[in-house]
Formats: sequence, structure tokens, C-alpha cells
Amino acid sequence: EAQVTQNPRYLITVTGKKLTVTCSQNMNHEYMSWYRQDPGLGLRQIYYSMNVEVTDKGDVPEGYKVSRKEKRNFPLILESPSPNQTSLYFCASSQGLANEQFFGPGTRLTVL
Amino acid sequence: QKEVEQNSGPLSVPEGAIASLNCTYSDRGSQSFFWYRQYSGKSPELIMFIYSNGDKEDGRFTAQLNKASQYVSLLIRDSQPSDSATYLCAVDGSSNDYKLSFGAGTTVTVRA
Repeated sequence: EAQVTQNPRYLITVTGKKLTVTCSQNMNHEYMSWYRQDPGLGLRQIYYSMNVEVTDKGDVPEGYKVSRKEKRNFPLILESPSPNQTSLYFCASSQGLANEQFFGPGTRLTVL
Repeated sequence: QKEVEQNSGPLSVPEGAIASLNCTYSDRGSQSFFWYRQYSGKSPELIMFIYSNGDKEDGRFTAQLNKASQYVSLLIRDSQPSDSATYLCAVDGSSNDYKLSFGAGTTVTVRA
């Protein structure tokens, strides 16, 4: 089944404790990205990747890191999480920017 | 930073009526426009995309694009209770900008 998977689905952590949210797709897509969704603000792009080893900042990259060492995986790293990073996070992949984005199930993160 | 604005909701329509959703964008170089539907607690899913000026119809959905006026709209004809969801407008960037920007979304409720 073609899909984007994310783990964990739910995470409660404390300020400053490094965490990684994994994202994997099995559709051989070139383009992958991370979004956060907050009430009233819609989806905001954090980082995107056009291909392996090619990443760039989206609109809200502060406090996040990403890497794209393999085509299928695009982990999101929070080196020192803060309460303002409490949000719902979505990973998505597509064949290209002009194509349909396939979204993962979402990761609900709470930073205390 | 690109801006994508959607008409504020929520939008409540009776079953069988037409729901009209509007979206304006700021980047004149944008080429690809998408409408995603997001049910409560779920991931966004693509319902329409449009690249050229004019109308594009798919079943009960019609997307309309006017690049000169920088707006894109979505009409839902014969609205059904199953259409109750949040609708997100997404716009790509200019040729050297590979970001994808989303509006805040418009929540539609179809009254039976």
C-alpha cells in the first residue's frame, strides 16, 4: 500500500529534551516536506527536500532540523524543544512540487 | 513570504446547496494551485488541482483560477453532509521557490 508513515503518533516531552520524528514514504517520491498545523494558522511548511541531500527552509524553520540521507526517509529533529513547538506535525511527499502531496497520519507533539 | 488567504468561516450551507470557497495569493509567479480537504482529526487529502486560467470540473467540484486577479475558488455543488470538513487552499512558489504555502482553511458545515 502506498503510504507515508510517521512515528511517533503522539509524544509528550519536556523543554530541552532532544527528539526526532521519523517520516518514511514508499512511493519513490522526490519531494518531501514537514508542516505544522496550529488552530487558525493552517498548515505552515517547516522544511522541504527536493531530493536526497537537498533540503531547504520553509516558512517556519526556526528550532527544527532535517536530513535527507535516503530518498524514502525525512526525519524532523527538535534539538531543544520549547512549549511554542507544541503542535500537530505532518510529513508529506509528492513526485514534485506541482503534484499531489500525500500526507502522513500526523504527530501530535506536546512540549511541557 | 508568500501569503495565501482564504475566506473566513465557518461556512454553513443546507444540503443540496452550493458552497463557495475563495482563496487569494500574493505571489504572481505561482503556477500550481490545489484544494485539499481535511476531516476533523485526519490528514489533508487532495480534491482538486488547477494550473490554467478558467474552470476545471470534477464531479460536484469546480475549481476556478484567475491569475490576473490572483484568486482561486472552489465550488461544491449539491453539497452533502459528507462534505463537512475544512478546505485548504495551497499554492506553489515562483520558479526558484520550491515552497508550498497553505491558507488557514475554511470550515464547511452542510446541514441535513
